[in-house]
Amino acid sequence: DQQVKQNSPSLSVQEGRISILNCDYTNSMFDYFLWYKKYPAEGPTFLISISSIKDKNEDGRFTVFLNKSAKHLSLHIVPSQPGDSAVYFCAASVSNSGYALNFGKGTSLLVTP
Amino acid sequence: KAGVTQTPRYLIKTRGQQVTLSCSPISGHRSVSWYQQTPGQGLQFLFEYFSETQRNKGNFPGRFSGRQFSNSRSEMNVSTLELGDSALYLCASSLNAGGPYNEQFFGPGTRLTVL
Repeated sequence: DQQVKQNSPSLSVQEGRISILNCDYTNSMFDYFLWYKKYPAEGPTFLISISSIKDKNEDGRFTVFLNKSAKHLSLHIVPSQPGDSAVYFCAASVSNSGYALNFGKGTSLLVTP
Repeated sequence: KAGVTQTPRYLIKTRGQQVTLSCSPISGHRSVSWYQQTPGQGLQFLFEYFSETQRNKGNFPGRFSGRQFSNSRSEMNVSTLELGDSALYLCASSLNAGGPYNEQFFGPGTRLTVL
């Protein structure tokens, strides 16, 4: 039962434009959300996170938005760069139940020059 | 600081065999988690260890087991391998400094192929 869903398997964006990656979740107990980036033959790399007490978190070109009522979060990358081309995973957890992360299946982002 | 290391990086086994994968966390990290990545199911949580104790477990059969040693290094074992166990197995370590959540750092993974 997939509790975290990324419904777009792939996304193509031009360099300099905004990339928006979306994620939906079903478990209302989730209170911490993360985005990971993964290149081929490497493990996922932490990108940005957000606690359920916030609705926005920014880190440089990356911003994560959380809409708890819709059980939806999104990652905005502005401006997109070719080096951002990777698979992006959304993950969620219940913070007081250990460090089990529930991942979405990922969105493959391609940023074209 | 060295990252999370996993050995071996690649492994080929046949059905019915068993396999042991190893993970060395970042120095000072006390929590180690294991994940299975397959094309169909994505990344799925297997289990998490902290101070040599399994603290959390995902929805996998008992053929999947793990342990953690006093130096925080961890191993996972899969017995009676099935074709469906072919996957990338990822280990992640975390500092567990007492906050509600700590960032997890992933290793490069072990690619297991079951023939």
